[in-house]
This record gives sequence, C-alpha cells and structure tokens, in this order.
Amino acid sequence: AQSVSQHNHHVILSEAASLELGCNYSYGGTVNLFWYVQYPGQHLQLLLKYFSGDPLVKGIKGFEAEFIKSKFSFNLRKPSVQWSDTAEYFCAVTMYSGGGADGLTFGKGTHLIIQP
Amino acid sequence: DVKVTQSSRYLVKRTGEKVFLECVQDMDHENMFWYRQDPGLGLRLIYFSYDVKMKEKGDIPEGYSVSREKKERFSLILESASTNQTSMYLCASSSTGGARHYGYTFGSGTRLTVV
Repeated sequence: AQSVSQHNHHVILSEAASLELGCNYSYGGTVNLFWYVQYPGQHLQLLLKYFSGDPLVKGIKGFEAEFIKSKFSFNLRKPSVQWSDTAEYFCAVTMYSGGGADGLTFGKGTHLIIQP
Repeated sequence: DVKVTQSSRYLVKRTGEKVFLECVQDMDHENMFWYRQDPGLGLRLIYFSYDVKMKEKGDIPEGYSVSREKKERFSLILESASTNQTSMYLCASSSTGGARHYGYTFGSGTRLTVV
C-alpha cells in the first residue's frame, strides 16, 4: 500500500522566513500529488497539485512544490511566509488509475506556526 | 462554487448508539469519500464510493458502513458507536476526468464525541 511521510510534525518560523515542508511517498508507479492546507477552524483547501509535465508547480498564495521522481518527493516551498500562513499542511498522493476513483492517502500533517 | 455539505458540525452520542453522518455535494461528482482526522494521525480513509450503490473499503473500515442511494448523498453509519470513534469526520467529493484526478473538495467536518 502506498504511504506518505511528512518530515516535520511541527514547524515554527518567523514572518518573512523561507519555508520548505518535506513530503515523501512510497508508491513506485504513476502518481498524482497534492498539498492541502487547513487554516484554524476551516475546512481543507487545495493548495496545489501535480499530474504530469513541469515538475515545479505553482499554487495559491505564493506556494510552490517540486516533484522529484528519483527521490519520491514533493516538497512544498514558499520564499517568504506570513503570519496568515499559520495552518496545518497535508501532503497527499493517489495512484493514477486512468479514471477510477482512488482514495487519497494523506501524510500525518505538519502544523506550521508563523510568529509575527 | 463546489459545495460539500455535512449535516452536523458537532454531535454528541452515547456508546452503543447507531449514528448517521450525512454528506451532500452539489457538483454532480462521481466520487465521494469519508475520512476521519485525528491529531498526529492525519486523515485516514474509511470508505469511498465511485458510483451510486457502489462502495469500497478504505484503510480503516471496521465499525463503519456507508450508503449511497443517490449520486449527491453519501452517508457514514456507525453501527454501534464506541468512544474510540470520537473524531473529526470529513466528507469529500471529486471528479475523475479521464487522465486527471482533480483533487478533492472537502466539507467542513463533523466533530463527533461518543460518551
């Protein structure tokens, strides 16, 4: 079964610091990759996704992620974080199945706190 | 705007009760999912459905069942609630178009407490 590992459960940064959240997955086939964010008291929202093509994908709110196939990684980055980025971030993966439904497998999440 | 609506934001039930969690989506999505979210464990898939009356077990189906009688509605059933089922339950829906999995749209969640 596929699995997703997020390297850090808690990250604390100051405003304007650069961010990188690690994500590795275990499946060796073709995958679709996602990062979701959950702001305090809100529902999960899609930040960005990767299906194919350019391995550097850009999402909302200045986030980007790079798919490195040889490392089975899909790390999330932001060059300068803001206090409003305080949230829980989840990496998720699903196998490409050509049209059928597959449940997303989520990592355990990274709780990001940005200090003003 | 895609909406996934979960009928209750908070629920408190007694041990042994039969509990129904309802989820409705308004975008004609084929796929619907139930997850539970627990601190330190992330989201874990309970059941999903890719068509009316079709269901598939996820990673942690024990103690749960589901029903999908209509395309827009996906119900999660706790046959006999137990305290270890206290959790946040999230419903999601998605559309899978050919070679693309478009990602999920999540509901706001139902926080269930079993006492």
